[in-house]
Amino acid sequence: EAGVAQSPRYKIIEKRQSVAFWCNPISGHATLYWYQQILGQGPKLLIQFQNNGVVDDSQLPKDRFSAERLKGVDSTLKIQPAKLEDSAVYLCASSSDEQFFGPGTRLTVL
Amino acid sequence: AQSVTQLDSQVPVFEEAPVELRCNYSSSVSVYLFWYVQYPNQGLQLLLKYLSGSTLVKGINGFEAEFNKSQTSFHLRKPSVHISDTAEYFCAVSRTGRRALTFGSGTRLQVQP
Repeated sequence: EAGVAQSPRYKIIEKRQSVAFWCNPISGHATLYWYQQILGQGPKLLIQFQNNGVVDDSQLPKDRFSAERLKGVDSTLKIQPAKLEDSAVYLCASSSDEQFFGPGTRLTVL
Repeated sequence: AQSVTQLDSQVPVFEEAPVELRCNYSSSVSVYLFWYVQYPNQGLQLLLKYLSGSTLVKGINGFEAEFNKSQTSFHLRKPSVHISDTAEYFCAVSRTGRRALTFGSGTRLQVQP
């Protein structure tokens, strides 16, 4: 069974630029999550989808972050414009019961 | 809201020695409890989970954890560690009936030969 796929694995941008991350969950998983993991900290939930609807986005900085899950499968997370403090690993996870995590996208904002 | 405290940021230990990684949680509602492991440049992998029933939970790679409701703790233990256990370990909770996880800040286990 293929795992959660994420791309790109690494991204370096200048502050105020835009960036997008992509996630392909495990086939059949209705629930998809995006987490932000800042160096030295545990992952923090940004947004949770159930199929293509948002369940929880209370911790998503909506002035600069956006996410969508069209057709209830793949998802993209966008940051526009990026700030230095957005440097982190962005983890995507999917679940039917247990959560499975992708390898993450490491973002560096200079 | 829930919160998770991992009391040790780093735990150095010699190979074949026992280890305990401590986790305490705070929640006003019933929770599920989890331990995840993260190897360098990899995603998180589930070690074990407590949903209900027996308070002693056994997981993969010889790890186990004990749920203590009165002390709101879920400490992770292994009787004999290997070099390959060197990684970051995260304790996490979720509200029963919901799946989004709240993580602790992690404990780096460093196994030395």
